[in-house]
Amino acid sequence: DAGVIQSPRHEVTEMGQEVTLRCKPISGHNSLFWYRQTMMRGLELLIYFNNNVPIDDSGMPEDRFSAKMPNASFSTLKIQPSEPRDSAVYFCASIQQGGRGMNTEAFFGQGTRLTVV
Amino acid sequence: AQKITQTQPGMFVQEKEAVTLDCTYDTSDPSYGLFWYKQPSSGEMIFLIYQGSYDQQNATEGRYSLNFQKARKSANLVISASQLGDSAMYFCAGSGYALNFGKGTSLLVTP
Repeated sequence: DAGVIQSPRHEVTEMGQEVTLRCKPISGHNSLFWYRQTMMRGLELLIYFNNNVPIDDSGMPEDRFSAKMPNASFSTLKIQPSEPRDSAVYFCASIQQGGRGMNTEAFFGQGTRLTVV
Repeated sequence: AQKITQTQPGMFVQEKEAVTLDCTYDTSDPSYGLFWYKQPSSGEMIFLIYQGSYDQQNATEGRYSLNFQKARKSANLVISASQLGDSAMYFCAGSGYALNFGKGTSLLVTP
């Protein structure tokens, strides 16, 4: 497997524009996470999907952020409209979860570095 | 959600020496896992080692070992025989259904 694939790797956009980040999880994994990494706040969980269903989106900063997982092999994170404070590295991670909790590692994509000017 | 604390923003170690990176956690869940990830300057997140709360022995993976002290709620990472390529950010994470990360420790290995 090629691992978790994220696109684009880098995105520079102007304030107010819509941004869509994409993620292809590892085949067979049933859980997917979106994280945001900044110097100030570290790694924050934005949203968690299990079997394509959003389970916890309490980490999504505000209504400008939305995430979807239309099928087991694809997820998007959309920011509309984007603001300079959204500049960060966004990671997607996937895992095959069985039973209760995580007992094996989550595999991370390479991340998308977003810059909003 | 489990809270993870890493109190060392930065650490230095000389090549070939061992180094311990601290991590404490706080959870009321009897079943949990603790993870360490490495993030080099290139930015990717690399899984290093995992310890389950019910594991009887400390986890080891090559030069990495986890000093798991349940009573102290600590899960320190020990890197033996440090190499220049070990210079990176190291994150401790605890699991419920998702990983909660600490702030990280920046490790610099010097010749």
